[in-house]
Amino acid sequence: QVHLQESGPGLVKPSQTLSLTCIVSGDSMSNGDYSWNWIRQHPGKVLEWIGYIYASGSSYYNPSLKDRLTMSADTSKNQFSLKVRSVTAADTAVYYCARNNSYGMDVWGQGTTVAVSS
Amino acid sequence: QSVLAQPPSASGTPGHRVTISCSGSNSNIEHNDVYWYQQLPLAAPKLLIYKNNQRPSGVPDRVSASRSGTSASLAISGLRSEDEADYYCATWDDSLRTWVFGGGTRLTVL
Repeated sequence: QVHLQESGPGLVKPSQTLSLTCIVSGDSMSNGDYSWNWIRQHPGKVLEWIGYIYASGSSYYNPSLKDRLTMSADTSKNQFSLKVRSVTAADTAVYYCARNNSYGMDVWGQGTTVAVSS
Repeated sequence: QSVLAQPPSASGTPGHRVTISCSGSNSNIEHNDVYWYQQLPLAAPKLLIYKNNQRPSGVPDRVSASRSGTSASLAISGLRSEDEADYYCATWDDSLRTWVFGGGTRLTVL
């Protein structure tokens, strides 16, 4: 059974870069036609899709965020990562990683809370 | 303001049936599959329905869903206390070119 686990800094200062990692266990992220996604949940529970990356490295970002995002995949470590540049308070959220294919986002991590504050 | 409109709350008594609506547009629900997610308190979202009306393994058949035109709905019958959760619809939006979620509906079992 595939399991996802996010890790992150917890607290980031405004204008800095937020870095998150999602470790995939239970199967190789290269198996199957899955995209590996980041979704965040803002205070007040609104869900916002951030983007995805395939094990091949091909990625696609939410157009509203793409200028500040970089995603990468490291199949040797079976993990993928997200960087968000120039963070503001609006980036404060719980960040989830999730596996997705046409059958839905069927595996989610437990989420990691990120607060942007000086 | 979410692209997909859901009622903020819904409620029902144990054993009864409740439905949750999800209203979109011709750039999202009308042409793309709808997914539903359940989020229990202090937990991550969990896939409840995929491709409009399909249940993943482990989701009971008292959970059903449908899509028609620019709207979709989720129905839960035989309500139980453990159904108390937030429910979100989601789909791809062709205009925004992104996955979009509804604002969520908090289901209370009275």
